[in-house]
Amino acid sequence: EIVLTQSPGTLSLSPGERATLSCRASQIVSSSYIAWYQQKPGQAPRLLIHGASTRATGIPDRFSGGGSGTDFTLTISRLEPEDFAVYYCQQYSSSPQGFTFGPGTKVDIK
Amino acid sequence: QVQLVESGGGVVQTGGSLRLSCAASGFSFRSYGMNWVRQAPGKGLEWVAFIWYDGTNKFSADSVKGRFTISRDNSKNTLYLQMNSLRPEDTAVYYCARVRVSYSVYDCLDDWGPGTLVTVSS
Repeated sequence: EIVLTQSPGTLSLSPGERATLSCRASQIVSSSYIAWYQQKPGQAPRLLIHGASTRATGIPDRFSGGGSGTDFTLTISRLEPEDFAVYYCQQYSSSPQGFTFGPGTKVDIK
Repeated sequence: QVQLVESGGGVVQTGGSLRLSCAASGFSFRSYGMNWVRQAPGKGLEWVAFIWYDGTNKFSADSVKGRFTISRDNSKNTLYLQMNSLRPEDTAVYYCARVRVSYSVYDCLDDWGPGTLVTVSS
């Protein structure tokens, strides 16, 4: 089973600042089958990035993803007030082992 | 537009059973793999189960294997999760979610329902 680790657990930043979130896999994730989701309180998750670096439909270009192998990042170039939320990475390369999620990174207002 | 609506959640005692449903509309349900994902109160996301678009293959997390069964009825545009031998640690909001690309096996989740809460009391 591929285990995902996200860091930091919490990121305290101000609007306008740059956020860099990390997701590390316990094994190489083939074909960069990594996705990133945003979740706000009381809401379902929203897909931001798939294939490690491709923005989902309607996602602003201040969100970008990168990385390969076992190390992946989500970058928010300039934080908007609506970006303060919890972010999860997910690998989807290893069925039937499962499409595991990382534990999440909370981005909160400093 | 894509719409997924879960139902069937509620309070059940330890050892009991519950069946969740997810009604799908706005897309060709029979063409997409579907998942269940859960979130315990104040915790992160946990993938639960996945079923292929045609129902021929199913996969589930070790934490629910042998107790939960994912199924679908493509004639009714509905996804199901039969949950047996429920435990307090199964308490969570359960989301159904659609894979991004039709007929894909390895894929992320780009449409989610609002979720239904399952509470297992001890």
